[in-house]
Amino acid sequence: DGGITQSPKYLFRKEGQNVTLSCEQNLNHDAMYWYRQDPGQGLRLIYYSQIVNDFQKGDIAEGYSVSREKKESFPLTVTSAQKNPTAFYLCASLTGFGSYTFGSGTRLTVV
Amino acid sequence: QKEVEQNSGPLSVPEGAIASLNCTYSDRGSQSFFWYRQYSGKSPELIMFIYSNGDKEDGRFTAQLNKASQYVSLLIRDSQPSDSATYLCAVNRPGGSYIPTFGRGTSLIVHP
Repeated sequence: DGGITQSPKYLFRKEGQNVTLSCEQNLNHDAMYWYRQDPGQGLRLIYYSQIVNDFQKGDIAEGYSVSREKKESFPLTVTSAQKNPTAFYLCASLTGFGSYTFGSGTRLTVV
Repeated sequence: QKEVEQNSGPLSVPEGAIASLNCTYSDRGSQSFFWYRQYSGKSPELIMFIYSNGDKEDGRFTAQLNKASQYVSLLIRDSQPSDSATYLCAVNRPGGSYIPTFGRGTSLIVHP
């Protein structure tokens, strides 16, 4: 089945640690996105990539980094510069209708 | 910052009733509108999209768009307890980038 796979499902980060969230898709979609969701908040765009080897900052890119070396993969690194990283992270790709297909998400907690 | 506004709810309706979810947006240039359903602890899934003024029906769901008044709504007929979820309204930003602004969502509770 085609879809987006995010891993891990749960991730715990210590203070000062960098962590990487994986996002892999087999939908052959060009554009991919990372969103952050906090309780009671809408989705906020972190980074997006419309083509391999190119990506753009979203509305809340500070403290995050991405790469897009392959069409299928768009990993997100949460760096130690992100002071409040506890959130639900969603990876998405763009369908032909202009809508999104989402992965199942990664829940990141600072311990 | 362009806004998409939704009443956070919860909206509580009895089983079998019509649930009406509303969304307003501030950017008059917006062209594409989406409704996503998100169950607790899960990721959003697309319910409907609408591009033109008027109504669009898909099974028990009807999306309504009024660009002059800048609102989009979702009607759920014959509501079921399984419809209990948060419904996110998303409005694509003008310019062809296909990047939406999401509302905060409306929590719907359908009680038996």
